[in-house]
Amino acid sequence: DIQMTQSPSSLSASVGDRVTITCRASQNIRSYLVWYQQRPGKAPNLLIYTASTLQSGVPSRFTGSGSGTDYTLTISSLQPEDFATYYCQQTYSSPWTFGQGTKVEIK
Amino acid sequence: EVQLVQSGAEVKKPGESLRISCKTSGYSFTTYWIGWLRQMPGKGLEWLGIIYPGNSETRYSPSFRGQVTISADKSISTAYLQWSSLKASDTAMYYCARATGLCSDTSCYSRDGMDVWGQGTTVTVSS
Repeated sequence: DIQMTQSPSSLSASVGDRVTITCRASQNIRSYLVWYQQRPGKAPNLLIYTASTLQSGVPSRFTGSGSGTDYTLTISSLQPEDFATYYCQQTYSSPWTFGQGTKVEIK
Repeated sequence: EVQLVQSGAEVKKPGESLRISCKTSGYSFTTYWIGWLRQMPGKGLEWLGIIYPGNSETRYSPSFRGQVTISADKSISTAYLQWSSLKASDTAMYYCARATGLCSDTSCYSRDGMDVWGQGTTVTVSS
């Protein structure tokens, strides 16, 4: 299985801050990388696929980048509704494994 | 509107069997994969497996093969996840989600990820 390592596991930030979350795969996943947001008590929500394509309806403050084994999710200006847990997932090779998650908390 | 609606919360005893469901609407059930995922209390997401209802092709994570069974009924656009003998360690939230993808003999890939999710089904296994 491909291992996905996210960092940090948690972070504290203020409204308006720029936030960056990284995800590293144990092998080249050729940009088959997806980001999800999960608010407490809710199902995950797809934000970005193929590393950098914004899902329809997702605000443009979310951007994804990266290639090969290293990927990044950036929130350009954190909003109150963005406080949540974020997961990366590789969909290059089944099983489609997830990172352990990054919890974004209010400072 | 594309919707995946899961069955309600379950409380079971160890050793009991269980089947939970994921009823879909708003799209062609037979042309997308449906995946099942687990989230144990306070933990992250785990991918159990996927099924292509068009031909019932099913792929499992090695970690869950033999532990659960994934199936689908095209006539009612519904996917299922079932256990023959539950354990306390099966206590978790389970999600279904829609995905596009292609599979070879050995592996599946998806360009678009899992784009629509059910609301989740809580399964509690306790004596």
